[in-house]
Amino acid sequence: GAVVSQHPSWVICKSGTSVKIECRSLDFQATTMFWYRQFPKQSLMLMATSNEGSKATYEQGVEKDKFLINHASLTLSTLTVTSAHPEDSSFYICSATRGGGERSYNEQFFGPGTRLTVL
Amino acid sequence: AQTVTQSQPEMSVQEAETVTLSCTYDTSESNYYLFWYKQPPSRQMILVIRQEAYKQQNATENRFSVNFQKAAKSFSLKISDSQLGDTAMYFCASVSGSARQLTFGSGTQLTVLP
Repeated sequence: GAVVSQHPSWVICKSGTSVKIECRSLDFQATTMFWYRQFPKQSLMLMATSNEGSKATYEQGVEKDKFLINHASLTLSTLTVTSAHPEDSSFYICSATRGGGERSYNEQFFGPGTRLTVL
Repeated sequence: AQTVTQSQPEMSVQEAETVTLSCTYDTSESNYYLFWYKQPPSRQMILVIRQEAYKQQNATENRFSVNFQKAAKSFSLKISDSQLGDTAMYFCASVSGSARQLTFGSGTQLTVLP
């Protein structure tokens, strides 16, 4: 159980276009989903936290108008990179947590990531 | 705010040997959790082991065990009988009970040599 998928696994687009990345929890309801960005040989950088049915909370320095996040259901969150530029090329990873409230660890289940290349 | 520090960017170990990866953290929370994640070349993040701060006993998962020193805010990972498949980037991470965001360390690239 606790499988998270991402689609697409890789995408190449032209500069100026928009790209949508989907993150799905396949066998559980995810009240919270996270989006990370990772550059080669670096750690994961949290971009935003999204809760189902509410606006995402962006980390400092992340442009909310450029990285649009929608968490429309308990199993789906999307990240849209608008007007992509070569500097947006990166590896994007999503993760999801089950509903909290109990005294259990807040384990995040990670998707396999999406490699975005902007030409 | 939480911080996680991994001071070893790269390490290597011979197959079948034991290796220890270091991690220190800082938090003002009393209720928190610590994790070690593995990221192999596929880049899929895999949870290796977790430790609840309120538990004094060190967590173990088969060949993986931790040395949790709460007073020193240290959380090292020991890999016994290293295997070639253990080659990966290892990230130490923490999360407080009041938040859901993970704080990651900078990672340690472990290479298991044949």
